[in-house]
Amino acid sequence: DTGVSQDPRHKITKRGQNVTFRCDPISEHNRLYWYRQTLGQGPEFLTYFQNEAQLEKSRLLSDRFSAERPKGSFSTLEIQRTEQGDSAMYLCASSSTAGQGFGNTIYFGEGSWLTVV
Amino acid sequence: GNSVTQMEGPVTLSEEAFLTINCTYTATGYPSLFWYVQYPGEGLQLLLKATKADDKGSNKGFEATYRKETTSFHLEKGSVQVSDSAVYFCALSASGTYKYIFGTGTRLKVLA
Repeated sequence: DTGVSQDPRHKITKRGQNVTFRCDPISEHNRLYWYRQTLGQGPEFLTYFQNEAQLEKSRLLSDRFSAERPKGSFSTLEIQRTEQGDSAMYLCASSSTAGQGFGNTIYFGEGSWLTVV
Repeated sequence: GNSVTQMEGPVTLSEEAFLTINCTYTATGYPSLFWYVQYPGEGLQLLLKATKADDKGSNKGFEATYRKETTSFHLEKGSVQVSDSAVYFCALSASGTYKYIFGTGTRLKVLA
């Protein structure tokens, strides 16, 4: 059973460029999450999907950010016109809808580090 | 709104010392509570969880009890090891939402 995988693990980009991150969740999980984590802080929720539907978005997800999960499997997070304040680790996580409902464990990938220079 | 408050770190202990990391929460209803651990350069891993009041979660010698009366979920370990050095995050999942809320993390350093 493979875990959540994210690609790329590290990305350095110039301010103003677009970047895209990919996440492959655990295969049987139909719920997928994106979080952002900056140094010394806990993960901050960005958005989540159930299957292909994006059900909730944070105010942190400005109009430069877009996330998709077109076939209910992998997901992409795109950041357009990057700014230095976007430098962070972008974490993907997934969970099942079976069992405990709101108490389900979410499983994280190792994250994608973004540095905007 | 829902929130989690953790004690600030770093917490520095000698090997075999007793560990407590405090976590309190604010939430409507009956949230589920979690502790995650993050080792350097890695993502977060679930350490333990509790889904209802008075439940005790435990794993790898770590324990935490869901105390609704004090809205707390303190993490404890009787004897820490150098390999326990990491950042520990308390989190909640509130009823009616699948958005997990995390604390700011507590860095633990264990010295040999």
